[in-house]
Amino acid sequence: KAGVTQTPRYLIKTRGQQVTLSCSPISGHRSVSWYQQTPGQGLQFLFEYFSETQRNKGNFPGRFSGRQFSNSRSEMNVSTLELGDSALYLCASSFSPRTSGRNTGELFFGEGSRLTVL
Amino acid sequence: AQSVTQPDIHITVSEGASLELRCNYSYGATPYLFWYVQSPGQGLQLLLKYFSGDTLVQGIKGFEAEFKRSQSSFNLRKPSVHWSDAAEYFCAVGDFQKLVFGTGTRLLVSP
Repeated sequence: KAGVTQTPRYLIKTRGQQVTLSCSPISGHRSVSWYQQTPGQGLQFLFEYFSETQRNKGNFPGRFSGRQFSNSRSEMNVSTLELGDSALYLCASSFSPRTSGRNTGELFFGEGSRLTVL
Repeated sequence: AQSVTQPDIHITVSEGASLELRCNYSYGATPYLFWYVQSPGQGLQLLLKYFSGDTLVQGIKGFEAEFKRSQSSFNLRKPSVHWSDAAEYFCAVGDFQKLVFGTGTRLLVSP
């Protein structure tokens, strides 16, 4: 069974640009979460999607956005990049039973997309 | 507010020695607790989780953790460390949809 796939793995952007990161969850997983990892702030929750709907959102500015498609694949976008946006962006998927929509608790993480903003 | 404290930034353990990584949490309700491991350049892998029931939980790679409600702790243990265990370990707390992570403990294994 293929794991969580994130693309691209590495990218370099300049301040003011925007970036789109992609995440393909494990087959059958309907929940996708995004986390930002930096040396200073550690791992911080960005948002979580289930069935194309954002269910939870962390404390990030509106420049950070995401979406989920009908096949559960997800993208996140960061507009007007700042130097502080340099980070490893991790995507995680989990299984949510159709009846309740609740996760079973285990997040499966991808290897991340490392964004460098110059 | 939910929070997780991992007081040790770095820990060095000799190969074959026992290991305990500390984790304290703050959570308003019954917590769901997790330990994840991250090797360099990799994503996070779940070692074990606690939802309810037996307070001593077994995980992969020979790890175990004990939930102590009175101490708000969920410490990770391993009786004998292998060089391949060198990595960063994260404790996390949360509901099923959002996790709050600690700052991590980097484990170094000396020969």
